[in-house]
Amino acid sequence: DGGITQSPKYLFRKEGQNVTLSCEQNLNHDAMYWYRQDPGQGLRLIYYSQIVNDFQKGDIAEGYSVSREKKESFPLTVTSAQKNPTAFYLCASSIQGRLSGANVLTFGAGSRLTVL
Amino acid sequence: AQSVTQLDSHVSVSEGTPVLLRCNYSSSYSPSLFWYVQHPNKGLQLLLKYTSAATLVKGINGFEAEFKKSETSFHLTKPSAHMSDAAEYFCVVSDGGSQGNLIFGKGTKLSVKP
Repeated sequence: DGGITQSPKYLFRKEGQNVTLSCEQNLNHDAMYWYRQDPGQGLRLIYYSQIVNDFQKGDIAEGYSVSREKKESFPLTVTSAQKNPTAFYLCASSIQGRLSGANVLTFGAGSRLTVL
Repeated sequence: AQSVTQLDSHVSVSEGTPVLLRCNYSSSYSPSLFWYVQHPNKGLQLLLKYTSAATLVKGINGFEAEFKKSETSFHLTKPSAHMSDAAEYFCVVSDGGSQGNLIFGKGTKLSVKP
């Protein structure tokens, strides 16, 4: 079955460490996204990529970095510069590179990061 | 600028009774509107979407939503709640005006009592 796989599901990090969250899709979608979810806050866009080797900052990109070397992969690195990294991170993809009105996001199951 | 407001952070209903989750939006363009559902520690799943066709949109699991331009609302309803409907629901607006421009509401947590 096609879908999005995020790993790890749970991750613990000490302060000052960088961590990388994996996101892989086999849907042949052009666009991929990373969102952060905090209780009562909804989803906030961190980064998105509309095509291989290209990505743009979202609303809360500070302290995060991404790469898009392959169409199916969009890893997110949470750096030590991120002041409050404990959150639930969701990866998503969409068919088209542009989020047009009819474009629908497919989400992975999420990764929960806890900073100790 | 576009925005979306989910009027209730928590809604509690009894099994078998109707569900109403309220959403108001603001958009400079003709918006597209979505409802997503999230079960605990899971990703989001699309329930339904409105893209300027019929104003009454039917989705999965018996949910539907009505686009009311005059009221700038897109409320989600279901005639009879089931225990499996307990989850968090997100209203999302997109005007398609710029890339990546989706705005998520803060969510409504639905509890279903037996």
